[in-house]
Amino acid sequence: DVKVTQSSRYLVKRTGEKVFLECVQDMDHENMFWYRQDPGLGLRLIYFSYDVKMKEKGDIPEGYSVSREKKERFSLILESASTNQTSMYLCASRGAIGNYGYTFGSGTRLTVV
Amino acid sequence: AQRVTQPEKLLSVFKGAPVELKCNYSYSGSPELFWYVQYSRQRLQLLLRHISRESIKGFTADLNKGETSFHLKKPFAQEEDSAMYYCALRISSGSARQLTFGSGTQLTVLP
Repeated sequence: DVKVTQSSRYLVKRTGEKVFLECVQDMDHENMFWYRQDPGLGLRLIYFSYDVKMKEKGDIPEGYSVSREKKERFSLILESASTNQTSMYLCASRGAIGNYGYTFGSGTRLTVV
Repeated sequence: AQRVTQPEKLLSVFKGAPVELKCNYSYSGSPELFWYVQYSRQRLQLLLRHISRESIKGFTADLNKGETSFHLKKPFAQEEDSAMYYCALRISSGSARQLTFGSGTQLTVLP
């Protein structure tokens, strides 16, 4: 019954490493989103995509990039991980028409040491 | 730019008491408002949206455009309502009509 899958539940990476967070959805949704969730700050949008190969910056894109080569997959890339990127990362998807709610993944807890 | 404010980070009530989680927004256009909930060790999920004017798990929320508020209410809180609650706003334009979330309120219902 899982519809949005994030490949890793927990990740520990070293400062300076390139990090890939993967998200796959099986609902044929056009829109996909990456948020980070921090206590006291809520969810902040990093990047989103409304179609294959299309991407737009969210509110906090610095230090991140994304890739959407296939409709079902949306990858978040940390080019050079830093300790201030330690966070919970949530992926979500949403259809283009008639579906107002997001479907969220279970999250990836990333720790950068 | 749009903004969502949830003034209470933590809220505790006793079982059976009424509960109200506050949410205020700033947006000059016509907003769509949502409440999302995250129970312990579970995914974030949609609780309700203003456009459907529904009651889910006994919760209701009314959009007050004059006060730019969308407070979440339940007359009799239950222990299973303990969770993190996020208010979210979607603007009427934009390519993906993305959501802007508030900072969240952790609700604890005491026995």
